[in-house]
Formats: sequence, structure tokens, C-alpha cells
Amino acid sequence: EPEVTQTPSHQVTQMGQEVILRCVPISNHLYFYWYRQILGQKVEFLVSFYNNEISEKSEIFDDQFSVERPDGSNFTLKIRSTKLEDSAMYFCASRGPLTTEAFFGQGTRLTVV
Amino acid sequence: GENVEQHPSTLSVQEGDSAVIKCTYSDSASNYFPWYKQELGKGPQLIIDIRSNVGEKKDQRIAVTLNKTAKHFSLHITETQPEDSAVYFCAASPFSGNTGKLIFGQGTTLQVKP
Repeated sequence: EPEVTQTPSHQVTQMGQEVILRCVPISNHLYFYWYRQILGQKVEFLVSFYNNEISEKSEIFDDQFSVERPDGSNFTLKIRSTKLEDSAMYFCASRGPLTTEAFFGQGTRLTVV
Repeated sequence: GENVEQHPSTLSVQEGDSAVIKCTYSDSASNYFPWYKQELGKGPQLIIDIRSNVGEKKDQRIAVTLNKTAKHFSLHITETQPEDSAVYFCAASPFSGNTGKLIFGQGTTLQVKP
């Protein structure tokens, strides 16, 4: 069964460092998303991406965040200068054409120290 | 913007009993309401969804009901089994165009005791 794959599963980084979280969406999917979940809180929408551009972003997704689909298969989330409050589980999701179901990856746990 | 509230935060039932989880949403433009199950160490997985033109949907032991007027929707699991133990999330979406973003509830930890 096709699945969304995220790497790494856990990343520890120093405050102020840049991190890149990687995702491989399901191959024929066209819509891509990043969500995050701070421990004990809701899963929050960060950004949606379609046709090689951001289609919507939340207030959380400020200038420190960026997304890219560099090679037609990977979908990345970059945080330029990490803060302690960026520590969370980050989920990538993708959705196929003409469907409503979003498929989620297993998540990357980001710990900023 | 949209806000989704989910209750209860934890739910413990005996195997074989029913479990009900309730959600309310704020944005009347929301038209798509999925339910996700998250097991330990895994990402959320869709278990059932409903669109706003339908009042109820059933899939074996799982059913979802939607009341658009009251802006609430519920997940019903009958004949619960220990493998139903997980965290369940409701979500709402003003599904249109090129977004389809999901606004999630806080999650419910369901424990089914054998």
C-alpha cells in the first residue's frame, strides 16, 4: 500500500540552527501539506502546496519557514533559525487528485535544545 | 478562522461497549469532516469521513453523524475491541480549490479494557 514517508524520525538541533524535514509523498498525489503537533496540543495546519507554490499558510508559517518540492518526489520543510518553541512533531500529508482523503506520514519529532 | 472542539479528552470503556466522541466546529463554510486514528509512533490514519450533504455514514462498527444546524458531529464505535485503543482526532475543512487544509480537534485517547 502506498504511504507517505518522512525522514528523519527524530531530529535534535541547537537553537538558532537550520533544519530541513523531508517527506516523500505518495507518487501520484498533487496536494501537499505540513502540520505540526506540540506535545499535548492540537495538530495544527502550517501550509498547503499545489502546482509548485504555496496555496495557503497559517499564521504560524512565518518567514522562518519555507517549503520546497525540489525534484518532483521530495517535499521539504525548512526552518531557518530554530527556536525552542519549534519543538514539536511535524507531519507531512499528501492528497491525490479528485479525492478528499489526506494521507499522513509517521511524523518527525523535532527537539530544539 | 475555524475552531474545532473535541470531547472527551480521554475515554475508557469495557470491551464490547460503545464509545462516542463529539466535536463542534465554528465555521459554517466547513463541508468536510474526517476522523483520524493515531496509534503510538504512527501518523494519523483516516477511518471515516463525511461531507456536509450527508447526515450519517456507517462503515461496519464505525459511524459518524453530522448536524449542520448545530455545527456538531460525532464518532460512534460499537462493539469496541482492545485494538480500537488509540488517539482519535476529528477535523473540519472548508474543502475547496487547492487547499483542503484540516482544522483538528484536541484528540481523544480511547482505552478499551479487555
